[in-house]
Amino acid sequence: DAGVTQSPTHLIKTRGQQVTLRCSPKSGHDTVSWYQQALGQGPQFIFQYYEEEERQRGNFPDRFSGHQFPNYSSELNVNALLLGDSALYLCASSPGQGKTLQETQYFGPGTRLLVL
Amino acid sequence: AQSVTQLDSQVPVFEEAPVELRCNYSSSVSVYLFWYVQYPNQGLQLLLKYLSGSTLVKGINGFEAEFNKSQTSFHLRKPSVHISDTAEYFCAVSGSAGGTSYGKLTFGQGTILTVHP
Repeated sequence: DAGVTQSPTHLIKTRGQQVTLRCSPKSGHDTVSWYQQALGQGPQFIFQYYEEEERQRGNFPDRFSGHQFPNYSSELNVNALLLGDSALYLCASSPGQGKTLQETQYFGPGTRLLVL
Repeated sequence: AQSVTQLDSQVPVFEEAPVELRCNYSSSVSVYLFWYVQYPNQGLQLLLKYLSGSTLVKGINGFEAEFNKSQTSFHLRKPSVHISDTAEYFCAVSGSAGGTSYGKLTFGQGTILTVHP
């Protein structure tokens, strides 16, 4: 079992550009959550996808959007990048939106984004 | 709204000594509580979680935590640490049923545990 995988591992972009990050959940998991972890901070919840729809959203602007595919994989898109978007982006998967927190959330290794 | 405060940003300790990492939370609803560990350049790994029942929760790698509702705390403890426990530890909270706080984790700022030989 490969666990949660994310790509790419590292990314460098310039201000104003757009970026797409990808996540494949653990086998058997259908719910994907995204978190942003700035340097020296705890992760902050961006949003959660289940059944290809955004179910929960944190305090992030509309520049942050996502998508979930029929195979449960997910993408995080960030438009008009700002320097402050530099962070580690973590994806977490779990088996079932209704039981998300009774069940363990498995985190991927993250994508480290640097905006110059 | 929910919040988590980890009272120590860094905790140095010698190998085989006991350690306690402190966590306090604030929430207007009943909560689930979690401790995660993050090793360098890796994602988060769940150490333990409190959902309901016994307030003393045992997790992996010899860690345990106690939920104290009156003090709104969920401190993490280990009686004897190893060099390999050196990592960053995060306390997290979520609403336990329905509402806007269910289904998402709110994390503290993290505590860096450094175990010295």
